[in-house]
Amino acid sequence: EVQLVQSGAEVKKPGESLKISCKGSGYKFTNYWVGWVRQMPGKGLEWMGIVYPDDSDTRYSPSFQGHVTISADKSIKTAFLQWSSLKASATGIYYCARLRGGDSPMEAFDVWGQGTMVTVSS
Amino acid sequence: EIVLTQSPGTLSLSPGERVTLSCRASHSVSRDSLAWYQQKPGQAPRLLIYGASSRATGIPDRFSGRGSGTDFTLTISRLEPADFAVYYCQQYQTFGQGTKVEIK
Repeated sequence: EVQLVQSGAEVKKPGESLKISCKGSGYKFTNYWVGWVRQMPGKGLEWMGIVYPDDSDTRYSPSFQGHVTISADKSIKTAFLQWSSLKASATGIYYCARLRGGDSPMEAFDVWGQGTMVTVSS
Repeated sequence: EIVLTQSPGTLSLSPGERVTLSCRASHSVSRDSLAWYQQKPGQAPRLLIYGASSRATGIPDRFSGRGSGTDFTLTISRLEPADFAVYYCQQYQTFGQGTKVEIK
């Protein structure tokens, strides 16, 4: 079964750092882009960025460029999303998802993780 | 930057009805990268349609997508109770704001 399993919920204070993870299984991890999507409380979906695990090629939405870092470690079939200094506005659910179809970065997300709730509050 | 505008914001319908959701792009986009998702409360989104009109694996044929250029639609031919949810369109880095389909 193809699946993405994300790390658990996090509660952090403003200014703290955080790295959440997304482990792929059931498919060749290096051959598909993996992306991150934010959903703030009660709001819609926001495309953050994607990484190609085979060579760590990364694309960011202009809205998130410079605010987060997306990476992947193909040896452990895991993608990451990290913040160096969290703000309260980062509170939300973060989904990882696989792009269908292989090496195009413009594909749809066909497999989704269960989501990681991140709460940033003083 | 592309803006995707979905309409209407909310639809109140009964099971068995036919519904068409709209997704309009601020300028012409490739239909190859136009997708539709369904999201239910507390769940991750689920891919319904990719390439504007291709159904994803396991998606029933009551869901269909069409369109090109700036205008795309998702049609559910006969609403079932499981179809009441929020629907999003997406083109590459942009999601629409969503359409909620609720039970009347």
